Amino acid sequence: EAQVTQNPRYLITVTGKKLTVTCSQNMNHEYMSWYRQDPGLGLRQIYYSMNVEVTDKGDVPEGYKVSRKEKRNFPLILESPSPNQTSLYFCASSLPQWTEAFFGQGTRLTVV
Amino acid sequence: GQQVMQIPQYQHVQEGEDFTTYCNSSTTLSNIQWYKQRPGGHPVFLIQLVKSGEVKKQKRLTFQFGEAKKNSSLHITATQTTDVGTYFCAKGSQGNLIFGKGTKLSVKP
Repeated sequence: EAQVTQNPRYLITVTGKKLTVTCSQNMNHEYMSWYRQDPGLGLRQIYYSMNVEVTDKGDVPEGYKVSRKEKRNFPLILESPSPNQTSLYFCASSLPQWTEAFFGQGTRLTVV
Repeated sequence: GQQVMQIPQYQHVQEGEDFTTYCNSSTTLSNIQWYKQRPGGHPVFLIQLVKSGEVKKQKRLTFQFGEAKKNSSLHITATQTTDVGTYFCAKGSQGNLIFGKGTKLSVKP
């Protein structure tokens, strides 16, 4: 089954404790991205990757890191999480540019 | 990034009424996509429009792309409770997919 898998689905952590949210897709898509969703603000892009070893900042990259060492995986790293990073995070993948994006189930992160 | 503007932010309708959400851009769009997110779920792709003046239908849903390719709309005829959710438009921009803030639809039975 074609899918984008994120882990964990829910996470509560403390300020400053490094964490990684994993994202994996099995559709051989070149394009992957991370979004955060906050009430009233819609989906805002954090980072995106157009292929292995190619990443670029989205609209809200501060406080986040990503890497794309393999085509299927695109982890999101929070080196020192802060409470303002409490949000719902989505990973998405697609074929090159402007085609249908497939989303993961989401990760609900709470930073206390 | 330059977001697409989406209105209204919220819409409450009685079951059976029609619903429309609008998406506007200050610049010409190469394409526009529409997604639906059910409560507690993730965005799911509905459709992509690429041609000026294009109209596409999916059962009770009608999608339009403006002649100038600066606006788009999603119209639902005779809403049902299964239509509840948030509808997003999204535009492609330099390899990036940028979303509007969405229209949250609630349907009263």
